[in-house]
Amino acid sequence: AQSVSQHNHHVILSEAASLELGCNYSYGGTVNLFWYVQYPGQHLQLLLKYFSGDPLVKGIKGFEAEFIKSKFSFNLRKPSVQWSDTAEYFCAVIRNSGNTPLVFGKGTRLSVIA
Amino acid sequence: DAGVIQSPRHEVTEMGQEVTLRCKPISGHDYLFWYRQTMMRGLELLIYFNNNVPIDDSGMPEDRFSAKMPNASFSTLKIQPSEPRDSAVYFCASSLRQELYGYTFGSGTRLTVV
Repeated sequence: AQSVSQHNHHVILSEAASLELGCNYSYGGTVNLFWYVQYPGQHLQLLLKYFSGDPLVKGIKGFEAEFIKSKFSFNLRKPSVQWSDTAEYFCAVIRNSGNTPLVFGKGTRLSVIA
Repeated sequence: DAGVIQSPRHEVTEMGQEVTLRCKPISGHDYLFWYRQTMMRGLELLIYFNNNVPIDDSGMPEDRFSAKMPNASFSTLKIQPSEPRDSAVYFCASSLRQELYGYTFGSGTRLTVV
């Protein structure tokens, strides 16, 4: 079965600091990968996704993620965080065939302080 | 498109009462998912449908929970009888080609059972 590990439960950063959130998955086949963001009191929204091509994908609000197949990783990055990036971030993986649902990680809570 | 629409946004009910949560997926989407989110357990997949047919309900916690999708534009999640431990935010999500586009989530229903 697939699984997704997000290493950090809670990350606290100062504004303008750089961000990297780890995500590793376990599945030997071809997968597609997603990052979702959940702002306080809101629903999950798609941040970015990868399914083929350039392993460095860019999403909304200056976020990017890099797929490293050999490491089964899909880490999320942002060069300079803002207070408004305070949210919970979920990594998710799905089999390329699409016949099983997304598997979500447990999420990483990001707190950005001024 | 109005997105995935859930109702009600908030529900407060007494223990033992029946609760019905409603979801209208995005038109044309063929997958519908029900999730529960709590601080303790995170995001849990309860059940999902493909073309109105329940595919996997292994995440439904107990027989008190049931879900239906009578047509492509409507689904319900029912809890009868409700218990305080059912208090959570319940999200509905829909998808078309989930392996490519991921899910679109509704705004959720915050359920409080007192």
